[in-house]
Amino acid sequence: NAGVTQTPKFQVLKTGQSMTLQCAQDMNHNSMYWYRQDPGMGLRLIYYSASEGTTDKGEVPNGYNVSRLNKREFSLRLESAAPSQTSVYFCASSYSGGMNTGELFFGEGSRLTVL
Amino acid sequence: AQKVTQAQTEISVVEKEDVTLDCVYETRDTTYYLFWYKQPPSGELVFLIRRNSFDEQNEISGRYSWNFQKSTSSFNFTITASQVVDSAVYFCALSDFLSGGYNKLIFGAGTRLAVHP
Repeated sequence: NAGVTQTPKFQVLKTGQSMTLQCAQDMNHNSMYWYRQDPGMGLRLIYYSASEGTTDKGEVPNGYNVSRLNKREFSLRLESAAPSQTSVYFCASSYSGGMNTGELFFGEGSRLTVL
Repeated sequence: AQKVTQAQTEISVVEKEDVTLDCVYETRDTTYYLFWYKQPPSGELVFLIRRNSFDEQNEISGRYSWNFQKSTSSFNFTITASQVVDSAVYFCALSDFLSGGYNKLIFGAGTRLAVHP
């Protein structure tokens, strides 16, 4: 049981380049999330998808787009990367509705550096 | 507004000392969950505990214990007889439930714990 899988684990980009972070979960969760982690800031929510077919902005959505491809997959796209987007990105998933215990299950993180 | 405050940015202790990590939260919800996660140097997030707002009993798991006090909106984490392997960043988090039974987590800024031999 893989849980939440993110790719790539590491990526270096030049300013202005684009890239997509991929995330997949095999726990049949309805909700999925993208967070970014910066020193001294904790984890901040970029976008989330409460259920298949829906996406909503989180705390820091500017410069990002997301796609909930299907129930398993939720991708994060940087259209024109900026140095301020240098961060560690975490994908997460969770149950919803009656099974929701509030807990999020996290991937291992993707370290992105924008030069 | 939903908010989590971890006032301690960094803590440094010597092995075998006890250490308490503070967490204070603000929430509009009457039902909520609180969490602690550990992030070791390898970078992954390790789930430690979930506490329901209706359960104020303290919990102990080995050298770890948690003190939940609704009256002061605090959910503090104590490590007894700390070890070098406890060195990590620790995050406190609060559930933020949305309509439809969905939720997100609000994280504190984290406390970096360094345990020295």
